[in-house]
Amino acid sequence: QVQLVQSGAEVKGPGASVKISCKASGYTFNAYYIHWVRQARGQGLEWVGVINGAVGATRHAQKFQGRVAMTRDTSTTTAYMELSSLTSEDTATYYCAKGGNRTWGPLEHWGRGTLVTVSS
Amino acid sequence: EIVLMQSPGTLSLSPGERATLSCRASQSVSSGSLAWYQQKPGQAPRLLIYAASSRATGIPDRFSGSGSETDFTLTISRLEPEDFALYYCHQTGSSPALFGQGTKLEI
Repeated sequence: QVQLVQSGAEVKGPGASVKISCKASGYTFNAYYIHWVRQARGQGLEWVGVINGAVGATRHAQKFQGRVAMTRDTSTTTAYMELSSLTSEDTATYYCAKGGNRTWGPLEHWGRGTLVTVSS
Repeated sequence: EIVLMQSPGTLSLSPGERATLSCRASQSVSSGSLAWYQQKPGQAPRLLIYAASSRATGIPDRFSGSGSETDFTLTISRLEPEDFALYYCHQTGSSPALFGQGTKLEI
């Protein structure tokens, strides 16, 4: 069965960076897209970006321009999202989700989320 | 970018009633790239409907999706107690792949 296991909660100071991992299993990792979605407490879902599992090409929301880096390691079937220059507005639960193979969606399987807290 | 507007923001109904949730796009969305998700407190979202009208694996047939271009609808025919949750529409046909702001379905 498909599983996406995310790394544990993080607490970071303002201006720091955080790197979250998403270990995938149960499917052909490099045949599917992986999305990153975040959710601040009590707020809606916010799309961060997507990575192509095969070639590693990425797209992200404009608001994260220059601050987000999505990578993947096909040998360990793990996707990573690094967000830099953190502010309190980045405090949220970050989810990875398995997308489609020839298209970005749908997001059929989700990780349990990684809580990132940005606090001084 | 394609903005998705969901209505109503909150829908108050009772078990056994029919729920109709709307998702309106600022530009035409490929039907193949419109999905609906359910989220309960403390849980990750769950895929309900993909390609506008196809039920995901294991989703009861009381959930149905319809629509095209800029107007999409999620219908829950007879509400069960476990259906009271947050619902989001999402398009993945173009970047950025934005979500709607959500509809809270409450008792």
